[in-house]
Amino acid sequence: KAGVTQTPRYLIKTRGQQVTLSCSPISGHRSVSWYQQTPGQGLQFLFEYFSETQRNKGNFPGRFSGRQFSNSRSEMNVSTLELGDSALYLCASSLDVSSDEQFFGPGTRLTVL
Amino acid sequence: GESVGLHLPTLSVQEGDNSIINCAYSNSASDYFIWYKQESGKGPQFIIDIRSNMDKRQGQRVTVLLNKTVKHLSLQIAATQPGDSAVYFCAERSAQAGTALIFGKGTTLSVSS
Repeated sequence: KAGVTQTPRYLIKTRGQQVTLSCSPISGHRSVSWYQQTPGQGLQFLFEYFSETQRNKGNFPGRFSGRQFSNSRSEMNVSTLELGDSALYLCASSLDVSSDEQFFGPGTRLTVL
Repeated sequence: GESVGLHLPTLSVQEGDNSIINCAYSNSASDYFIWYKQESGKGPQFIIDIRSNMDKRQGQRVTVLLNKTVKHLSLQIAATQPGDSAVYFCAERSAQAGTALIFGKGTTLSVSS
């Protein structure tokens, strides 16, 4: 069974631009969570989607948004990029919202210049 | 605040030694704890988990200990191998936060042969 896939793996943007990252969960998994990883703040929860609905949201500004499609694939969008948005963005999938184990993808490395 | 932290940012051991990685948590309402391993360029990989109604859980070469009295979590790796070199994170989850995982800062384990 294929693992969690994220595209693109690497991305370079400039301040003020917007970016969309994509995540395909493990086949059959319906819950997708997004995390931001930086050297300074570590891993921080962004949001979680289940059945195309945002179930939970972390403490991030409204510039960060996401959505989930009927096939459980998810995208996250960051608008008006700032230098501090440079990070590894990780997607994790789980079977459903009551599942414990979350399987992480390799992440998308976003660099904002 | 609600955060999970690790006592040491780095740990260096010799191949064959037993490794112990520690983690302190502050949210007494957390009911589920996980240890993840992250290798360079990869997403976090699930190692072992434990629920708050347990004190100890064993896996293959790994053991997690939970001491709820002092809010302490540890990961023991037996016969540490060079392939165990990675960053290790503990994470917690509470019913209050839904499925969001709160991660510690991480401990870098270096195994020399």
